[in-house]
Amino acid sequence: GENVEQHPSTLSVQEGDSAVIKCTYSDSASNYFPWYKQELGKRPQLIIDIRSNVGEKKDQRIAVTLNKTAKHFSLHITETQPEDSAVYFCAATPPDTGRRALTFGSGTRLQVQP
Amino acid sequence: GAVVSQHPSWVICKSGTSVKIECRSLDFQATTMFWYRQFPKQSLMLMATSNEGSKATYEQGVEKDKFLINHASLTLSTLTVTSAHPEDSSFYICSAGGAGGFGDEQFFGPGTRLTVL
Repeated sequence: GENVEQHPSTLSVQEGDSAVIKCTYSDSASNYFPWYKQELGKRPQLIIDIRSNVGEKKDQRIAVTLNKTAKHFSLHITETQPEDSAVYFCAATPPDTGRRALTFGSGTRLQVQP
Repeated sequence: GAVVSQHPSWVICKSGTSVKIECRSLDFQATTMFWYRQFPKQSLMLMATSNEGSKATYEQGVEKDKFLINHASLTLSTLTVTSAHPEDSSFYICSAGGAGGFGDEQFFGPGTRLTVL
């Protein structure tokens, strides 16, 4: 099955700096890669996603890049703000073969220092 | 996006009792729902895939006789933790989507915090 590794486990940046979180996946058939932000006790919130036919996607301060050959994808947050502090998870899912469950990375705790 | 609800949002029970958690898709029909478990400071781990009208598919290491899943309709899946023990204390989250008009996106319920005393 799919295995997703995520680094770093914790990340502390100064407000205004950029933050980068990296993930690798094992199943070359995976074709959908979402990123979630989770605050304590809350459900995961989708912040951006990318499909395997796209190499990069951007939404305001957030961007995701995908390298299918290397099987890794990254989340980039620019101009970080204290409210960006949370746990971020990457995930991967295979094509629609009747099993579209997400395989999550281990998470990155981002702390943005004011 | 679509809306998924869960009930209850939190529950405290005594060891040995059973707890039922409901997951509902409020504005769409979900033939498949997923149940995840999240221990403190850990990631979400898939427990099982709930299929409407058929048996659930459990992940390796998840006891199907302990975590009973029923997907009786296109909008409701239930997870029953039978004979709960303190080690079952966790955050349980369901999701639906990933198909049809919603494309790949999964929609998560708000989660249920289970504490077993």
